[in-house]
Amino acid sequence: AQKITQTQPGMFVQEKEAVTLDCTYDTSDPSYGLFWYKQPSSGEMIFLIYQGSYDQQNATEGRYSLNFQKARKSANLVISASQLGDSAMYFCAMREPTMDSSYKLIFGSGTRLLVRP
Amino acid sequence: DGGITQSPKYLFRKEGQNVTLSCEQNLNHDAMYWYRQDPGQGLRLIYYSQIVNDFQKGDIAEGYSVSREKKESFPLTVTSAQKNPTAFYLCASATSGGMYNEQFFGPGTRLTVL
Repeated sequence: AQKITQTQPGMFVQEKEAVTLDCTYDTSDPSYGLFWYKQPSSGEMIFLIYQGSYDQQNATEGRYSLNFQKARKSANLVISASQLGDSAMYFCAMREPTMDSSYKLIFGSGTRLLVRP
Repeated sequence: DGGITQSPKYLFRKEGQNVTLSCEQNLNHDAMYWYRQDPGQGLRLIYYSQIVNDFQKGDIAEGYSVSREKKESFPLTVTSAQKNPTAFYLCASATSGGMYNEQFFGPGTRLTVL
């Protein structure tokens, strides 16, 4: 069975500083994908960044980058130059194949990030 | 604008009643999903559908039912058999196939059982 672990229930960061949110995963599939989503207090899930298991380089999207360490099975999210609007829940997710040859996402328990002014 | 809509935003239900949550998308996506989120936790998959008139149980399907009569719509019914239905419900859609299967989410429905 596949599993996603986020060990930081809550994190604080000073505005304009960088922060790293941890995510480790467990899978026996050689081919997989990892996602990070942001969930503000409004509740909707906002896609941030994706990393495929065969991607040669770490993914980057604006201020978001993914520190992908395949041997350690970790996919940590790095947010640079934190902004007050970054305060939210952050979820790591992994794509898992289903019995009918499609895919579903399994999610970690999330990390609540609070950016201090 | 393309996107996913869910209604209602807030829903109150008395014990023993069935309620239906709406999910509509105009992204032309084949796949649609329903998730449940409890306070302080991640999302858990209830049902998903890869194509019209076909759907599959997810990890916590007991007490829920769905239909997929149209590509754009994937309503979720929370039945009286669901023992603890108070939660936040999120609908998502995605293109089928391929490795990169980013899911787009709706704004969610918060269900409270009185």
